[in-house]
Formats: sequence, structure tokens, C-alpha cells
Amino acid sequence: GQSLEQPSEVTAVEGAIVQINCTYQTSGFYGLSWYQQHDGGAPTFLSYNGLDGLEETGRFSSFLSRSDSYGYLLLQELQMKDSASYFCAVRDKGDSNYQLIWGAGTKLIIKP
Amino acid sequence: GAVVSQHPSRVICKSGTSVKIECRSLDFQATTMFWYRQFPKQSLMLMATSNEGSKATYEQGVEKDKFLINHASLTLSTLTVTSAHPEDSSFYICSARDRGGPPLNIQYFGAGTRLSVL
Repeated sequence: GQSLEQPSEVTAVEGAIVQINCTYQTSGFYGLSWYQQHDGGAPTFLSYNGLDGLEETGRFSSFLSRSDSYGYLLLQELQMKDSASYFCAVRDKGDSNYQLIWGAGTKLIIKP
Repeated sequence: GAVVSQHPSRVICKSGTSVKIECRSLDFQATTMFWYRQFPKQSLMLMATSNEGSKATYEQGVEKDKFLINHASLTLSTLTVTSAHPEDSSFYICSARDRGGPPLNIQYFGAGTRLSVL
């Protein structure tokens, strides 16, 4: 079957750095994406990796290793507003729908 | 940035009634729209994928006759929950892909609809 594994919860301190890991088992692979969702809100796109390596967008970075079926989201200089759930998602088919398979989400708790 | 509008944000209805949820892409054309269901503290469960002008593709276990999806234009898709029952109570979220956007697997999400069936 298809699955994405990520930790259910991570706790960190304001100003620190935190890494959220994601391992995947899918029949195909056409990119790994990360989304953020605040309680009661809609998911918003954060980052995308199509090729191996690190992608940086401000305080957020995302890494992919296709040979290890593994990626992570790195959040630096944590702020209280970063408290949210973070989902990794994989596009497993090369068709034009760009359907995504979603991980269960990681709840990030930030303490002052 | 791309904006997706979803209405209503919250609906409370009696058991047996039908509820329609609208999803509109405001500043882009959406080739494909997705409908998800999300239970508290859980992931997004894809219900169906809809392409403009064609029938929606439903995921296994999702009843087509219960969750009617119409994608009549490049900017509007609707989900109708027919004969709603308490077990249909959930958070329903739509998302859309930008027809003219880069192929970065980006989905733009609506704000979601919280459905409560009494």
C-alpha cells in the first residue's frame, strides 16, 4: 500500500530549530510537498522538492533524498505563530491531475 | 497569490436534508479540483477529484450518489451531501490546481466547511 510516515507531535522552544521528518512508500514518485495547517484553518503550501537536495524559502527549508524515500522540513528561528500541523504529501502518479497522498500530519508545539 | 473561496464556512442541518458546498477559484482557472474530508486531528482524506466538464473520480469507499460533485466551469466546483446523516458531520475542504501555474504539486485550499448534521 501507499503510506507516508511522519511524527505525530514535535515540541520545540521559541527561537530554536526543529526538523520534521517524512518517509514515504508509494508506487510512484513525482515530488514531495509540505503544507502548514493552523487549527480550524485550511492547509497552505510551504515547500516542494522534485529533485534531491535542499530547497530554502526564508526560515523554512525542505530536503529530499529519493534513494532513501525520505524528506524533512526544517524550521528555523521558531516563532509562536509557527505552532500548527505540518503535512508532507507525495504526488504518486504522473498524470495531469497532480493528486497528492498525504501524511497524517505533525503537530508542532512551540513553548516560550 | 491564488485564492480559493469556499462557502459556507459552517452549516448545521437536520438529518435527511441535502447540503451544497461551493468551491471557487477567484483569480485563476482550476483545471482540477479536489474534495477532502478531515476528521479532528487527522489527515486529509481525498474523496474525489473533479475535472472541468467531466465526471468526478471518486476514491474507493466514497459513495458517488451520496456525495455529488459538479465541476461545471474552470472556476467552480460544488459538493452536495445528499440525505445527510450525523455520521456525515465533518470538515470538508476543497482545493484547486492552477491551470496556468507551475507543475509544483501546489494545491490551493479553500477555508473549509464544517458540517454538523443533527
